[in-house]
Amino acid sequence: AQSVTQLDSQVPVFEEAPVELRCNYSSSVSVYLFWYVQYPNQGLQLLLKYLSGSTLVKGINGFEAEFNKSQTSFHLRKPSVHISDTAEYFCAVSGTYKYIFGTGTRLKVLA
Amino acid sequence: DVKVTQSSRYLVKRTGEKVFLECVQDMDHENMFWYRQDPGLGLRLIYFSYDVKMKEKGDIPEGYSVSREKKERFSLILESASTNQTSMYLCASSSLTAGELSYEQYFGPGTRLTVT
Repeated sequence: AQSVTQLDSQVPVFEEAPVELRCNYSSSVSVYLFWYVQYPNQGLQLLLKYLSGSTLVKGINGFEAEFNKSQTSFHLRKPSVHISDTAEYFCAVSGTYKYIFGTGTRLKVLA
Repeated sequence: DVKVTQSSRYLVKRTGEKVFLECVQDMDHENMFWYRQDPGLGLRLIYFSYDVKMKEKGDIPEGYSVSREKKERFSLILESASTNQTSMYLCASSSLTAGELSYEQYFGPGTRLTVT
């Protein structure tokens, strides 16, 4: 069975500071990994994805994530956050057809 | 741009009513999904469909049914709405084609359903 754990439910950070949102997964088979962002009252939007190849993945809005197979992690990072990054972030894994989502991390960027 | 639309952004229904939530995608995707989203629980899969007239139960199908008569449309039906079905409902679609879009899901804006 697959599972996804997002260790932090809320992360406050000051504007222009770096941030890391943590995601760990478990799976007995190869998976694809994703980070999605959800702004208030909107659907989810893809930030980045890991399918294969380079373990460092760059996404939109300056975000990047690193796939670490030995630690089964896929942490999301941004070197300098903006107020507009305030949103909820979801990590997800997929096999065939189905996806497993984490419970989300609410990022609040403070002025 | 891939577009997934949902019939309503906000919906208020009474207990016992039959409720239809419609989802339409315009990218000829094979797979479509219905999730509900609740605070602290993330997204939970209700049903998904990998082809017209095909459906599979997700993790929480009780109290729900689905219909997929056309490739672009996937409907979620609450046969008799109850207050514990008050939630945000999200529709998504994806394609299994190779390349940049492999397995990526595209989401609609969501329908916030309140059952009173």
